[in-house]
Amino acid sequence: NAGVTQTPKFQVLKTGQSMTLQCAQDMNHNSMYWYRQDPGMGLRLIYYSASEGTTDKGEVPNGYNVSRLNKREFSLRLESAAPSQTSVYFCASSEQSGELYGYTFGSGTRLTVV
Amino acid sequence: AQSVTQLDSHVSVSEGTPVLLRCNYSSSYSPSLFWYVQHPNKGLQLLLKYTSAATLVKGINGFEAEFKKSETSFHLTKPSAHMSDAAEYFCVVSAHQGGKLIFGQGTELSVKP
Repeated sequence: NAGVTQTPKFQVLKTGQSMTLQCAQDMNHNSMYWYRQDPGMGLRLIYYSASEGTTDKGEVPNGYNVSRLNKREFSLRLESAAPSQTSVYFCASSEQSGELYGYTFGSGTRLTVV
Repeated sequence: AQSVTQLDSHVSVSEGTPVLLRCNYSSSYSPSLFWYVQHPNKGLQLLLKYTSAATLVKGINGFEAEFKKSETSFHLTKPSAHMSDAAEYFCVVSAHQGGKLIFGQGTELSVKP
């Protein structure tokens, strides 16, 4: 019962480097989400995918891109990392109506940009 | 627009005493409301949810929350705190837009022996 799997768990990048955060779910959920968590700010939505083949911007999309590769996988890419992107990143998934059932979260990726 | 406010950034209780974590919401619709818990260096786990059924919702680990429409509140309570309850708690409201959820800023719960 893996649920939502994120890789890597930890990463240190230099300013300007690029990387992709991977997320996969095995619950046959339609919707997937990427959040970032910063102290005192709760979780803020970066991008989401309501269903396979669709993606939409959330509250803080600047500096990020996403790909919904298939129903299981939703990746987040930082093209040119900046220190302001130092954060903990969470991937989540939900049934079609996340509002009714809530989300299942991965364990997070702790990213530091130096 | 929908929003959620957690009234305390940090709450400290003694083991065995009651826990109260306060949450107020704003919603133009009948909201769905959730409480999530995050233990240190872990992901978020769903504690309980309200989706327009019974106003008193029971969750895991002895937690419960009461939906009060007149007060626009959804406070989380537990009769007796345990050391293992020390964590960060998030109150969450439905955004009524593409299944999105809006998270509060979090309340850190400390439990003293």
